[in-house]
Amino acid sequence: ILNVEQSPQSLHVQEGDSTNFTCSFPSSNFYALHWYRWETAKSPEALFVMTLNGDEKKKGRISATLNTKEGYSYLYIKGSQPEDSATYLCAYQKTYTGNQFYFGTGTSLTVIP
Amino acid sequence: DGGITQSPKYLFRKEGQNVTLSCEQNLNHDAMYWYRQDPGQGLRLIYYSQIVNDFQKGDIAEGYSVSREKKESFPLTVTSAQKNPTAFYLCASSSQGAGSYEQYFGPGTRLTVT
Repeated sequence: ILNVEQSPQSLHVQEGDSTNFTCSFPSSNFYALHWYRWETAKSPEALFVMTLNGDEKKKGRISATLNTKEGYSYLYIKGSQPEDSATYLCAYQKTYTGNQFYFGTGTSLTVIP
Repeated sequence: DGGITQSPKYLFRKEGQNVTLSCEQNLNHDAMYWYRQDPGQGLRLIYYSQIVNDFQKGDIAEGYSVSREKKESFPLTVTSAQKNPTAFYLCASSSQGAGSYEQYFGPGTRLTVT
């Protein structure tokens, strides 16, 4: 079983603060890294899929970077808003195993108004 | 609307009974997946199917069974052999083939076995 770790486990920030969290994954046999946002009582929703070392993706105030050589990805949220409150999951996709994902435990973000 | 439906949202069963969780998708995806979530753990793969009439075990398949008779449907049966069946179950689907395809998730079923 592959080890995908996310830190911190939970985070409370004030509205307007910027924040970031980490996903660590095996650097060997890397194929893709996925970020998902999971709001309470909803389905997980895809944010980004990243495949190349050095990839940077952005969607509004949320961005992500990827370092496949050292096995980590950062997710950044600029100017956090209460609607950003959710659990953020990363999922590591290995090569040659089709679409099987290995998920981290998630980072739970609470933005305090 | 395209999407994935899971029913029911909450399910209660007595120990020793088999129970089947429903998952249906109308996204025309070839691949479908079942995950389990427990407190403090990431989503863990139970079974996945890449095509109709074919499926593979994931990391925690023991005590579970699946079928894939139709492209749209991938039901999961939690058998009495599953030692700790109480959990939150998520179904997902994706396109299939070589590529980094995102998975689309249903709303989940929370199963409680007493």
